[in-house]
Amino acid sequence: DTGVSQDPRHKITKRGQNVTFRCDPISEHNRLYWYRQTLGQGPEFLTYFQNEAQLEKSRLLSDRFSAERPKGSFSTLEIQRTEQGDSAMYLCASSTGILNSNGYTFGSGTRLTVV
Amino acid sequence: GQNIDQPTEMTATEGAIVQINCTYQTSGFNGLFWYQQHAGEAPTFLSYNVLDGLEEKGRFSSFLSRSKGYSYLLLKELQMKDSASYLCAVRDSEDNYGQNFVFGPGTRLSVLP
Repeated sequence: DTGVSQDPRHKITKRGQNVTFRCDPISEHNRLYWYRQTLGQGPEFLTYFQNEAQLEKSRLLSDRFSAERPKGSFSTLEIQRTEQGDSAMYLCASSTGILNSNGYTFGSGTRLTVV
Repeated sequence: GQNIDQPTEMTATEGAIVQINCTYQTSGFNGLFWYQQHAGEAPTFLSYNVLDGLEEKGRFSSFLSRSKGYSYLLLKELQMKDSASYLCAVRDSEDNYGQNFVFGPGTRLSVLP
């Protein structure tokens, strides 16, 4: 396993368009997280899946955002009617359910630019 | 609420030692993590403290004082490749729920020749 993969690495879209990002976690990790990171800030939590169940959503996740993990493996994050304020790095991370000292394993992120 | 503070930027010279501080105020505590993040890349795990004291791992060490809500990351023998952002993160419960893992704003370290 090569770690957490995210696709695409970069996305430029016009305001009002819909975009979808994909995350493939480490195969034995049952927990998957989406974070958003803007320039000069730390990652901010968006949503969390345990297997296919979405158990948590941050108040940062407006109605325009939706995430799925249909088979408990890969996940998608969709943003509808994008706005310039959505421009950020979207990070995916995964972990096991076992309390451990390594925290999360992050993917390289998808950088979204809304023009 | 949850609050984590770090200096925004630091500069140091190649070969020197630098200490990056982190203070936190969280509803609970179940571990403090340091991550390194190069520009445009994923955060990568550096260190973990759950008990008071110093954890050493090669050129990097991390210290924790739970009573003071304080940690620092110490980088020795700085190299140019250490130029990156360093993120302090606190887990405030035993569970891995996302809301329980809070990141600070990060400290951008520039290493100069």
